[in-house]
Amino acid sequence: NAGVTQTPKFQVLKTGQSMTLQCAQDMNHNSMYWYRQDPGMGLRLIYYSASEGTTDKGEVPNGYNVSRLNKREFSLRLESAAPSQTSVYFCASSSQGFNQPQHFGDGTRLSIL
Amino acid sequence: GNSVTQMEGPVTLSEEAFLTINCTYTATGYPSLFWYVQYPGEGLQLLLKATKADDKGSNKGFEATYRKETTSFHLEKGSVQVSDSAVYFCALTDRDDKIIFGKGTRLHILP
Repeated sequence: NAGVTQTPKFQVLKTGQSMTLQCAQDMNHNSMYWYRQDPGMGLRLIYYSASEGTTDKGEVPNGYNVSRLNKREFSLRLESAAPSQTSVYFCASSSQGFNQPQHFGDGTRLSIL
Repeated sequence: GNSVTQMEGPVTLSEEAFLTINCTYTATGYPSLFWYVQYPGEGLQLLLKATKADDKGSNKGFEATYRKETTSFHLEKGSVQVSDSAVYFCALTDRDDKIIFGKGTRLHILP
């Protein structure tokens, strides 16, 4: 059972470069999420997709874009990376309904030099 | 708005000690409450949940009771093990299907 798969696991970028973080889930979940995790800050929601075809901003959307490609896949794009975007990025998914738990991938560790 | 506050860490205990990690919340309506655990190098995993007042969630020897009167959801375990060393996150979900996390409490268990 794969669950939520994130690629890549590690990435180093130079300031100004762009990249896309990929996320796929095989649990037929409707909702998908992107978070960043920084020391002392817990998890902060970047963007989410409540269902296929919809996306909404979370707490810290600036500098990011997302695409809900289909029900399985939800990608996060950094158009022009900045050192402040150095973080660990987690994708998660959940079935419909506000009391359903979220399932997380293992994260992408991103460093911007 | 909704929020979750959990005790600052790190918490360091000896093996077989009793564990309490405090969590309080503010919310409109009736949120569902969760504890997630994150082991080193991994993503978060659901540990337990409670969906209404007075519910008790339990898993792997951990327990937490949804206390509406005190707006709390404290995590407890009677006898911790070295393998319980991890970061623990309290969280709630609101009606918009988003989840709000506390900042996490790092737990170290000494053999």
